[in-house]
Amino acid sequence: QVQLQESGPGLVKPSETLSLICTVSGGSISGYYGSWIRQPPGKSPVWIGYIRYSGDTNYNFSLKSRVTMSIDTSKNQFSLKLNSVSTADTAVYYCAIGRAYDSWDYWGQGSLVTVSS
Amino acid sequence: EIVLTQSPATLSLSPGERATLSCRASQNISPYLAWFQQKPGQAPRLLIYDASNRATGIPARFSGSGSGAVFTLTISSLEPEDFAIYYCQQRSMWPLTFGGGTKVEIK
Repeated sequence: QVQLQESGPGLVKPSETLSLICTVSGGSISGYYGSWIRQPPGKSPVWIGYIRYSGDTNYNFSLKSRVTMSIDTSKNQFSLKLNSVSTADTAVYYCAIGRAYDSWDYWGQGSLVTVSS
Repeated sequence: EIVLTQSPATLSLSPGERATLSCRASQNISPYLAWFQQKPGQAPRLLIYDASNRATGIPARFSGSGSGAVFTLTISSLEPEDFAIYYCQQRSMWPLTFGGGTKVEIK
């Protein structure tokens, strides 16, 4: 049974960097695309981007200048960094994996990140 | 960016009734439209992909239809566990986008 778990600080100060890690268990991340999707409170999900197991990335152009994704296949993890955050970045952040770049077969439970001073 | 407009925003129905949800895209996205169900505190769950294909394990009461820029999700007979928020999502063009959602609530 493949499971995903997001981890990272739940509170980030404005202008700082949000960092999250997604740990995959019950299966290898190799061969999958890892994606990040966020959902502001009471709003619709927003696709942030994906990283392939090879390291190739594709980001939502609305966030592209602030986003960096990386992957560590030896640890079965992939990560998200979002810099220069503001209160508009407050959201539940989900990681997900899929066999295609636009599919999400498995999801994490989500991690609430609040941006506040 | 492709904009997805869902209607109605809220649908008030009783168990056993039929639910019809609409999703309209700002341009042709056929057939790359998916439907997700989300319950409070949970991640979205894929119901339908490519407009009309049920995902693994999804009951037959859920069906998707449509083409071009207009799509429909139908729940033939609402079960208590179907009361939730439903989102449509397109993968025709980057960036991938979601609609604003339809909340199906108990009348």
